Parts: sequence; C-alpha cells; structure tokens
Amino acid sequence: QVQLQESGPGLVKPSQTLSLTCTVSGASISSGSYYWSWIRQPAGKELEYIGRAHTSGSTRYNPSLRSRVTMSVDTSKNQFSLNLTSVTAADTAVYYCVREGDNDSRLDPWGQGTPVTVSS
Amino acid sequence: EIVMTQSPATLSVSPGERATLSCRASQSVSSNLAWHQQKPGQAPRLLIYGASTRATGIPARFSGSGSATEFTLTISSLQSEDFAVYYCQQYKNWPLTFGGGTKVEIK
Repeated sequence: QVQLQESGPGLVKPSQTLSLTCTVSGASISSGSYYWSWIRQPAGKELEYIGRAHTSGSTRYNPSLRSRVTMSVDTSKNQFSLNLTSVTAADTAVYYCVREGDNDSRLDPWGQGTPVTVSS
Repeated sequence: EIVMTQSPATLSVSPGERATLSCRASQSVSSNLAWHQQKPGQAPRLLIYGASTRATGIPARFSGSGSATEFTLTISSLQSEDFAVYYCQQYKNWPLTFGGGTKVEIK
C-alpha cells in the first residue's frame, strides 16, 4: 500500500522560501506511470492545485503560482519536493502531497497534510 | 480555468437516509470528474473518478453520475462514518480545480 508523508518547517517568515518534502513508502517512486503533485488548502477555503513533477524531470505548475514554484523528484531517496519562494500570509495553508495518475489524473493516495504558517 | 460549483454548501441528513450532492462545471469536463471525501483533521480520500467509477475499497453505497457540466454524488444509506465534507474535482483542463465542498452533517 502506497503511503505519502509530508515534512518540513511549520513556520516560515514572509518573503522567505517554503520548502517541503514528501516521502513515498510502499512502492518505488519510479514505478508505474505517475506524477507527484502538491495541493494546498488554506483554513476554511477551497483546495488549490499547485502543480506536479515527474521522474522524467518534467514539471507543470498552476499559472497562479508558476513564477514562485519549483518541484522536483529524487528517485534515490523516493521523495519529491516543493519550493515556494517569496511567501506571504496568503500562502498559509495545509499542504498535501498526492500521487496523480499520468493518464487519468487520478489523485490517490493523499498524504496526511502538513500545516504551514507564514508569519514573522 | 474551469470553476466548479457545489450545492448545497451544507446537507443535513439522518443516518440511513439518502444524500444527493451536486456539482456543476463552468464548461464541459466530459467525464473527467472525481469526488473526494474529507473527514475533520484528515486528508481527502478519492471516492469516485471518471464521474462514476468507484476507487479501490469504496463501498457500493457511494455512486457518481453525470457528464459534461452536471454531476451528482449519491450516498444511498448514510452511515455514521460518511458524515464529512465532499469535494468534486475536474481534470479535463489545466489546472485541476476543485469545488468549494458540501458538508454532510447529522440531522
């Protein structure tokens, strides 16, 4: 059974870079045909798709965040990561890592989520 | 981007009753529609994809229907563990987008 677990600082200062890692267990991140994606949810608000990365190196980001987002996959560690630069209070949210099917965009499974607060 | 609108925002249902949740897309998404369930303090869980296909391990009391711009999630007989927030999500166009959710609460 594939499981995903997010990790990273829970508090980031404004204007700094938010960096999160997702560790995949139960399967190799290189097996199958999947993208490795990030989604966030501000408190009381809608889910927002941030973007995805593939083991091939290809990435695709939500246009609303494209200028500040970088994602990558580390097959040697079975992990993938998210970097979001120049953060503001609007980036405060629970961040989820998710496996996404590459031919049907099926979002399954989800990580437990990690809360990140942007505050000085 | 495609805007997903869910109704109602809150649905009060008694255990054992049927619940019907609606989702509308601002333009056609064909059958590229998924439903996710989120319980308090937990991550969302995929219930339905392809508008009507149940994900692995999802009970038969959950069913999805619809196409193009109008979709429905039906829970045939609500169990205590089904009280949660349900989100629809389209994957026809980039970026993937979610509805605002329907909270199913105990009546």
